Amino acid sequence: GQNIDQPTEMTATEGAIVQINCTYQTSGFNGLFWYQQHAGEAPTFLSYNVLDGLEEKGRFSSFLSRSKGYSYLLLKELQMKDSASYLCAVMDSNYQLIWGAGTKLIIKP
Amino acid sequence: GAVVSQHPSRVICKSGTSVKIECRSLDFQATTMFWYRQFPKQSLMLMATSNEGSKATYEQGVEKDKFLINHASLTLSTLTVTSAHPEDSSFYICSAFVPGQGAGETQYFGPGTRLLVL
Repeated sequence: GQNIDQPTEMTATEGAIVQINCTYQTSGFNGLFWYQQHAGEAPTFLSYNVLDGLEEKGRFSSFLSRSKGYSYLLLKELQMKDSASYLCAVMDSNYQLIWGAGTKLIIKP
Repeated sequence: GAVVSQHPSRVICKSGTSVKIECRSLDFQATTMFWYRQFPKQSLMLMATSNEGSKATYEQGVEKDKFLINHASLTLSTLTVTSAHPEDSSFYICSAFVPGQGAGETQYFGPGTRLLVL
């Protein structure tokens, strides 16, 4: 079967760095997405990785290792507004998105 | 960036009534749109893929006669929840891929519709 695993919840301190991991097993691979979802809102796109390596975009970076079926989202200089759920999703060989359950990130002052 | 709108944002209805949710791509044409449902503290669940000019493709376990999808134009898809029941209360979200985004096509989501069936 296909599955995406990511931690249910993480806590970090304002100004610090946090890494949210995602491992996946899917039938085929056409890219991995990270989305941010604030409570009661729809997800918003953060990043897309299809090749191995690190993609940096401001305070957020996303890493992919296809051989390991592994990705992480790195958030630097955490701000209170970063408190949200972070969803990992993989596009399989049928171009369907397989979604992880999301990681709820709690930022403390 | 690309914009996907949804209407209404929130709806409360009585059990047994039907509710229509509209999803529009405002500045691009979307031949394919997706309808998701999300229950509290759970991930997104794909319900169906809406294809312009043809029948929607439903995921396993989703009743196509209960969740009617119409994709009448390249900018509009509608989801009608027929004879809604309290267990249909959920957050419904539509999305569309925006082609030609360079480094991978990205999926943009509508703001979602929160349905409460009493």
